[in-house]
Parts: sequence; C-alpha cells; structure tokens
Amino acid sequence: QQQVKQSPQSLIVQKGGIPIINCAYENTAFDYFPWYQQFPGKGPALLIAIRPDVSEKKEGRFTISFNKSAKQFSLHIMDSQPGDSATYFCAASDSNSGYALNFGKGTSLLVTP
Amino acid sequence: KAGVTQTPRYLIKTRGQQVTLSCSPISGHRSVSWYQQTPGQGLQFLFEYFSETQRNKGNFPGRFSGRQFSNSRSEMNVSTLELGDSALYLCASSLRLISGTGELFFGEGSRLTVL
Repeated sequence: QQQVKQSPQSLIVQKGGIPIINCAYENTAFDYFPWYQQFPGKGPALLIAIRPDVSEKKEGRFTISFNKSAKQFSLHIMDSQPGDSATYFCAASDSNSGYALNFGKGTSLLVTP
Repeated sequence: KAGVTQTPRYLIKTRGQQVTLSCSPISGHRSVSWYQQTPGQGLQFLFEYFSETQRNKGNFPGRFSGRQFSNSRSEMNVSTLELGDSALYLCASSLRLISGTGELFFGEGSRLTVL
C-alpha cells in the first residue's frame, strides 16, 4: 500500500503564486523526508529534504513545513515561476532502510505566465 | 563530472522475453538503487546495491533481479516479461553513509515497453 499519500494530483498557479503540495505518512519510523523535482524526459532531482527534528526548512524559494504530531509535511514554492512547472514527489524513509525511499504519487505543477 | 548513465534508453520487448538494463553510477558513488516509475503506481523501490551486495529489496516478484559489479556498475534483469512491466526504470546512485540515508542522483531512465 502507498506509505506516503500526496495531494493534490495536479495544480495550476499563476506566476508569483505560492503552490502548496501536501504529504502524509503513517510509519512513525520514517526520519528522512525529501522532495524531488522531475522534468519531462529527466530523472527526479533532489530539491530539499528535512529530518523530524526541525519544523521548517528553507532553501531559496522552496520551504518544507513539517508537523511530526500530525505526520504531515508540505512543500511551498514562493514566487513561483514558469520554470518551476514540473512534477514534484515527496518521499519518506527510515534510517534502517537506507535508500529505499517511499514516494508519493506526485503532483504535476503548471505555473502560467 | 558525468551523471548517472543508463542504457538502453528505450527498448521494446514482447511478453515472455527477458531484458537487462545497465546503470553506470557517478564516479565515486558506491551505492546504486533501482526504481520503477509508472503512471498508476508512481515511483516504486526495486532494490539497492552497495559493494556488490544487495542491501534492500522492494516488494517485487522474483522475476526482478539485479547485481552490482566491482566497479559499482549495476544491471537489473526482468525475466518472463509481462505487459504490466512496461515502465520507466530509473537508476540512482549515492554516496552511501554507514547508516541513514541521503541524496539520490537519478539517471534519465530506461523506458521499457512490453507488447
């Protein structure tokens, strides 16, 4: 079964808007939560990642918010640009599983000019 | 620095055949993971190899297998192909830490179509 649930499936925002993508998980052993960005014809690339000892992490225009008690985390893209149009995947793993990431099903983001 | 290289990029097979996909990791990376990507199931973990040993395996049937060579290059094999095996197969390499996890660097994938 899907261990990480991601929503929405697709999202359209205007340039400058702030798209928000949400993910939820059940396994409390998860301790690593990355977000990957994928452009058509390319493999996913790491965007930003967070561990459960912090509630928020910012890297440039990308911010992860993490709510450990609710077992939810989200990605916010500030001042979105047409070049941000891509598919975004959240994921989770635990230390014992190494690189066996459990991915959400992805969100297709379109940023219109 | 060259990225993760996967070959072939595209291939078409028929049901019952087998296929071998190849992956060359980033120089210096000793861990190689494989993922299957489909529109319906998304990205699913197949297996991870480190120092020629399988470290983790996902929930896939035994028809899916892999191996890693001493130069860290990896191959995965799917035998007795089924229509449902049509997918993009992604290889990812990483600098494996003793414990925990870290960034995966993905290749562009091998797109397999089973007819």
